[in-house]
Amino acid sequence: SAVISQKPSRDICQRGTSLTIQCQVDSQVTMMFWYRQQPGQSLTLIATANQGSEATYESGFVIDKFPISRPNLTFSTLTVSNMSPEDSSIYLCSVEEGGYEQYFGPGTRLTVT
Amino acid sequence: SQQGEEDPQALSIQEGENATMNCSYKTSINNLQWYRQNSGRGLVHLILIRSNEREKHSGRLRVTLDTSKKSSSLLITASRAADTASYFCATARPGNTPLVFGKGTRLSVIA
Repeated sequence: SAVISQKPSRDICQRGTSLTIQCQVDSQVTMMFWYRQQPGQSLTLIATANQGSEATYESGFVIDKFPISRPNLTFSTLTVSNMSPEDSSIYLCSVEEGGYEQYFGPGTRLTVT
Repeated sequence: SQQGEEDPQALSIQEGENATMNCSYKTSINNLQWYRQNSGRGLVHLILIRSNEREKHSGRLRVTLDTSKKSSSLLITASRAADTASYFCATARPGNTPLVFGKGTRLSVIA
């Protein structure tokens, strides 16, 4: 399975600032996804990031708040903009491999004060 | 929106016992996947079962799928303290990824 890394692993940020999370995969993948996991909750899909096209956002998530880049087949970034305490979550990227299995990075734990 | 619902929400067992977690979903699926998450860290992929499969095994894990009842179960046999984690089911609809996750079952295995 693909090996996925994320940076940073955790951060504490002030209200109103932005944080960019990086996701690096050790192999080329077509489908990459970004999820949010709020404290004590399950995972919610933010958007699908495909190389060469605009990200597709799920209901309740907008590009201005969560801009995504996908410059190549091994890398993606998610920015959490103008943060508020409600954005405190774990953010996870994932990739899909040929057999529909989806693998996840270790997550970025974000705390907004 | 969440597709899967795990049952129970929390489960506490003694080491060596078997743990069974159930997942129900609402719509047709292409496949169903089970994941483990330790203490709010990344998710570990455990097993994928396709809609045309009824049972799969992987080590101490056994997964069943009943598409007529729209339900799946994950059985962990001879549990260990290291199995303590949250377990999530996630479904993929036909022709459509990504996955939609259930709320998870928190498993505690007491040594």
